[in-house]
Amino acid sequence: GENVEQHPSTLSVQEGDSAVIKCTYSDSASNYFPWYKQELGKRPQLIIDIRSNVGEKKDQRIAVTLNKTAKHFSLHITETQPEDSAVYFCAARGNQGGKLIFGQGTELSVKP
Amino acid sequence: ETGVTQSPTHLIKTRGQQVTLRCSSQSGHNTVSWYQQALGQGPQFIFQYYREEENGRGNFPPRFSGLQFPNYSSELNVNALELDDSALYLCASSFGGGIQETQYFGPGTRLLVL
Repeated sequence: GENVEQHPSTLSVQEGDSAVIKCTYSDSASNYFPWYKQELGKRPQLIIDIRSNVGEKKDQRIAVTLNKTAKHFSLHITETQPEDSAVYFCAARGNQGGKLIFGQGTELSVKP
Repeated sequence: ETGVTQSPTHLIKTRGQQVTLRCSSQSGHNTVSWYQQALGQGPQFIFQYYREEENGRGNFPPRFSGLQFPNYSSELNVNALELDDSALYLCASSFGGGIQETQYFGPGTRLLVL
């Protein structure tokens, strides 16, 4: 069935370092890959997304890369700040209309 | 913040009861998706409504049902509540009901079943 695997489950970095979160997906027909940030008790917030006709997308300190052949995509956060601390979810569009399949989440902790 | 709203914010029910959750989509959006997020996990797709019709359903039993109104707001109904239904229920608003539209989440309704 459709599946998205996300690693690592927890990630601790020092302020100013980079953080990388990786996801793999199973459905080769998936063509849209959003990333969401969820702070404790709050809604998932879209931070960046990429479509399958693009290999990389960047927005200030955040970038996402996509390798369609290997069916994996990654989130890169540079110059991390304490306010980047949250749970990050990757997702892939499934084969039913607008269905999003989410990874299990990565809890990022940025230590000052 | 998105323009997506949900009500109520919190709800406590007992096993066997029924519950209705509500979602108002962002202005200009015609598609609402519902997700269940258990503690410590990623959201799980329940179903999507596009122009008042169901447009895809996840692996949830028939006691999870929904509808969408002409103003594109939506309801999620859960009958015969079970303890495992305790979760955060999120709706997401988007436009198009198609394959590549971006989804924006509401704040969620936290349901506790005792």
